[in-house]
Amino acid sequence: GAGVSQSPSNKVTEKGKDVELRCDPISGHTALYWYRQSLGQGLEFLIYFQGNSAPDKSGLPSDRFSAERTGGSVSTLTIQRTQQEDSAVYLCASSRQGIQETQYFGPGTRLLVL
Amino acid sequence: QKEVEQDPGPLSVPEGAIVSLNCTYSNSAFQYFMWYRQYSRKGPELLMYTYSSGNKEDGRFTAQVDKSSKYISLFIRDSQPSDSATYLCAMIFNAGGTSYGKLTFGQGTILTVHP
Repeated sequence: GAGVSQSPSNKVTEKGKDVELRCDPISGHTALYWYRQSLGQGLEFLIYFQGNSAPDKSGLPSDRFSAERTGGSVSTLTIQRTQQEDSAVYLCASSRQGIQETQYFGPGTRLLVL
Repeated sequence: QKEVEQDPGPLSVPEGAIVSLNCTYSNSAFQYFMWYRQYSRKGPELLMYTYSSGNKEDGRFTAQVDKSSKYISLFIRDSQPSDSATYLCAMIFNAGGTSYGKLTFGQGTILTVHP
């Protein structure tokens, strides 16, 4: 079956522009996570969606970052007024409901802010 | 101080060697422990998942957890060039009422196994 897919694979943008990153989770997975991987900070949690519950946004680094999940499936991470420090790989993961369920990661979107 | 500490390496070993990768953590609320492998330009993939102290073996891989010392390890026996990747330890809190698996990662160790 298909794994987690993310688009675009790579994104180059200019400082100050907005970007949208998309994640398609594995069918039937109710939990969806966004993480960010950068050289200096490693892999960090950003936001979590579970079913119809309010998302946990505790990892979002600033109010320029937002995410939504439509219909309990596809998710979009939006970064407004991008800064150079936003350059990183943005990873999406999905899982079945439950703390012990395996998270399956997508290949990531490589964002470069010039 | 980071919640999870992992030596970033890089680590270079000859084919057939035994590899030992380690992480320490500071918060005893971490109850679930994982090792992920990440190849270049790919997402992490789960290798091992444990939730109790002791050893868990899967083929050439053994995961070890010592909760009293807040220390976890991954051993790779008979290492192969195809094992060359970044290895990330990850942990989950088990706080009362929290039912999701937000992962806290170590920095990752870059491993190269040369023929």
